[in-house]
Amino acid sequence: GEDVEQSLFLSVREGDSSVINCTYTDSSSTYLYWYKQEPGAGLQLLTYIFSNMDMKQDQRLTVLLNKKDKHLSLRIADTQTGDSAIYFCAAPPGSASKIIFGSGTRLSIRP
Amino acid sequence: SQTIHQWPATLVQPVGSPLSLECTVEGTSNPNLYWYRQAAGRGLQLLFYSVGIGQISSEVPQNLSASRPQDRQFILSSKKLLLSDSGFYLCASQTGMNTEAFFGQGTRLTVV
Repeated sequence: GEDVEQSLFLSVREGDSSVINCTYTDSSSTYLYWYKQEPGAGLQLLTYIFSNMDMKQDQRLTVLLNKKDKHLSLRIADTQTGDSAIYFCAAPPGSASKIIFGSGTRLSIRP
Repeated sequence: SQTIHQWPATLVQPVGSPLSLECTVEGTSNPNLYWYRQAAGRGLQLLFYSVGIGQISSEVPQNLSASRPQDRQFILSSKKLLLSDSGFYLCASQTGMNTEAFFGQGTRLTVV
């Protein structure tokens, strides 16, 4: 079945760049998503990329997609304390209705 | 965009008691609806999804059940809660495939 994998933790210094990685198995996804979850809250869509794109930039966020390797990454430039959260990638399969999320990467910021 | 309402926000229930969590959706029609559970410090586990009224798919065998009595209403239930049912429950809605999923704010369930 579909599988989405992420590393569980990432710690970066304030002001540095954060890179969160994700691998997925289903290549039929048309869009791939990054969601952000702040403590005690639901998930909010952060950004997404269309599957025929290699890169998408949105202010401090850069999404890179390597479709051949089924690898997705999210880069946050100039990481701030407000970026502390859990980040989930999602690669909805094109042929099914269910959405599978990765395990989430907990990003912590150190001064 | 869609708005997902979940209630209650927090719930403390004794072992063996019943459960009913409700989720309603505004701003769309005929959505796919989902129930996820997030254990403390863990990722999202898909519990149930529904593509229409009365249509429920279960992803994992468990002590819970789901129902969809109306197009934009999704209910998560249990007849007898277990300690292992504790967690953060999230409802999500998606209209069409390959589109953004919208999430409710979640219900934190503690079974004691």
